[in-house]
Amino acid sequence: KNEVEQSPQNLTAQEGEFITINCSYSVGISALHWLQQHPGGGIVSLFMLSSGKKKHGRLIATINIQEKHSSLHITASHPRDSAVYICAVGYGGSQGNLIFGKGTKLSVKP
Amino acid sequence: EPEVTQTPSHQVTQMGQEVILRCVPISNHLYFYWYRQILGQKVEFLVSFYNNEISEKSEIFDDQFSVERPDGSNFTLKIRSTKLEDSAMYFCASSLIGEQFFGPGTRLTVL
Repeated sequence: KNEVEQSPQNLTAQEGEFITINCSYSVGISALHWLQQHPGGGIVSLFMLSSGKKKHGRLIATINIQEKHSSLHITASHPRDSAVYICAVGYGGSQGNLIFGKGTKLSVKP
Repeated sequence: EPEVTQTPSHQVTQMGQEVILRCVPISNHLYFYWYRQILGQKVEFLVSFYNNEISEKSEIFDDQFSVERPDGSNFTLKIRSTKLEDSAMYFCASSLIGEQFFGPGTRLTVL
């Protein structure tokens, strides 16, 4: 059974800081997803990756398949980045059955 | 930009009642999913649906749950006899290839 662990659970940063959120998983996967959940509850997909690195604006996601580890980086953080960031993994070629981490609650102070 | 929509946004029901949660996935997507998130807990997979049938389901998705795609646009989750522990946020998602797009969720409260 795949377990998804995220760290840290909570993170407080000052505006402008570089932020890193980590995710590790225990079994080989087909893809890893980074998601953002706002206080209202809605979930937004940020990245889906199976190798290497992806960048979108100030967000960068990397994955190391051999080490079963992924990181989400936020450059020049802003208060509007405050949200819960969730790592989820899919495996076995399935188009579903994502296994979710518990999330990292990020608060960026002005 | 196309998006997944869900109705209602909040549903309050009495224990033992049937509820139907509705979702309209993105129109050209082929895979549909339901997830739930109990307050303060992580998101959990319930069921995936492809080609008009269930492709995968979790242990949570027991006989009290069913899904349907009654027409070309709607995707529904039915809970036949709600229990207190069914209180949660229910998310619908859809995908074409890989990346899943989530709806805003329906908050179900069972009294």
